[in-house]
Amino acid sequence: DAGITQSPRHKVTETGTPVTLRCHQTENHRYMYWYRQDPGHGLRLIHYSYGVKDTDKGEVSDGYSVSRSKTEDFLLTLESATSSQTSVYFCAISVKGTGVGYTFGSGTRLTVV
Amino acid sequence: KNEVEQSPQNLTAQEGEFITINCSYSVGISALHWLQQHPGGGIVSLFMLSSGKKKHGRLIATINIQEKHSSLHITASHPRDSAVYICAVTNGGGADGLTFGKGTHLIIQP
Repeated sequence: DAGITQSPRHKVTETGTPVTLRCHQTENHRYMYWYRQDPGHGLRLIHYSYGVKDTDKGEVSDGYSVSRSKTEDFLLTLESATSSQTSVYFCAISVKGTGVGYTFGSGTRLTVV
Repeated sequence: KNEVEQSPQNLTAQEGEFITINCSYSVGISALHWLQQHPGGGIVSLFMLSSGKKKHGRLIATINIQEKHSSLHITASHPRDSAVYICAVTNGGGADGLTFGKGTHLIIQP
């Protein structure tokens, strides 16, 4: 099973502060994704990466930036957190050849107060 | 943009019943995925399908590419099957990630 960890698991932050979430994988999978999950909306793509320093926007990218300086790490930054960014954030990796396609991290529950 | 619709949104059944969850999508895809999420839990990939049928234990997933429709079946349902089941699709090569349905909340009562 592809190792993928997210940190932190839970965070409470104040409006206007920057926040960085980390996704770490232990194998050299090329494609990594950040999603947010909200009641009534389901899961939506924020940003994704197709290699070191190669990233692109998803459906709900406003207010978020990402960086991937190493294959194993994909960082999501909320530049100035707002209450609308209170959500559960999931990282995922594309694991070709496994038969299931994707492996997800355990999620980060972020609350912006 | 692909629109992914699931039905039903909520389903409550008795232990042992045969369960069917449906998924339809609007635009041709490269693959369809079924995911499972337990309350407060992470997301687990169950199946990836591009044609036909797959089976794993008591779970069966089918897809009809012409009709743009997939079904997830659970045979001999058990309370531990209680979870949210999410359908998702990938387009083209799949590099740009998954497009998700809103999920089906399944409760199996003993």
